[in-house]
Amino acid sequence: AQSVTQLGSHVSVSEGALVLLRCNYSSSVPPYLFWYVQYPNQGLQLLLKYTSAATLVKGINGFEAEFKKSETSFHLTKPSAHMSDAAEYFCAVSDPNFGNEKLTFGTGTRLTIIP
Amino acid sequence: DARVTQTPRHKVTEMGQEVTMRCQPILGHNTVFWYRQTMMQGLELLAYFRNRAPLDDSGMPKDRFSAEMPDATLATLKIQPSEPRDSAVYFCASGLVQGVQPQHFGDGTRLSIL
Repeated sequence: AQSVTQLGSHVSVSEGALVLLRCNYSSSVPPYLFWYVQYPNQGLQLLLKYTSAATLVKGINGFEAEFKKSETSFHLTKPSAHMSDAAEYFCAVSDPNFGNEKLTFGTGTRLTIIP
Repeated sequence: DARVTQTPRHKVTEMGQEVTMRCQPILGHNTVFWYRQTMMQGLELLAYFRNRAPLDDSGMPKDRFSAEMPDATLATLKIQPSEPRDSAVYFCASGLVQGVQPQHFGDGTRLSIL
């Protein structure tokens, strides 16, 4: 079965500092991986997705993630944090038993930006 | 931009009442997902439809919850009877069966059962 572990339920960084949100996955087959962001009182929005093309994936709002098979990781990074990045971030892995349509989400990481 | 529309956005009702939440998926999308989000359990998948057929509802309490797609433009999630432990935010998401397409989420229904 597929699973996702997000290390750190809360992360705080200073404005302008590097953002690093960790995600490790478990999958019986090469996975498809996603990062979503959730702002208060809103649904989840796709930041980026990995679909076995380039291992370094660029997303919206300056975020990127690198797929590392040897480490079973898909960490999310942004070189310089902005106040508007404060939100909750979810990593997700697809389920090949359901045509990769069904996702298993991690428990989320709440990102706080310190002015 | 096309959006998933959920109604109502907020619902407060008393224990034992029937609750119906509605979702209009993005036009042309043929997969629909219902999720429940709580502080304790995080984001849980309740039900999943492809081409209006239910494929997986293993996450849904069958005794009180039901999910249907009367047509391609409407998905419903019903709770009868409702209980305080059902208080949560319920999200609908839709997607395409074509390659690896992301799910698009609505803004949710915040449900409070008193």
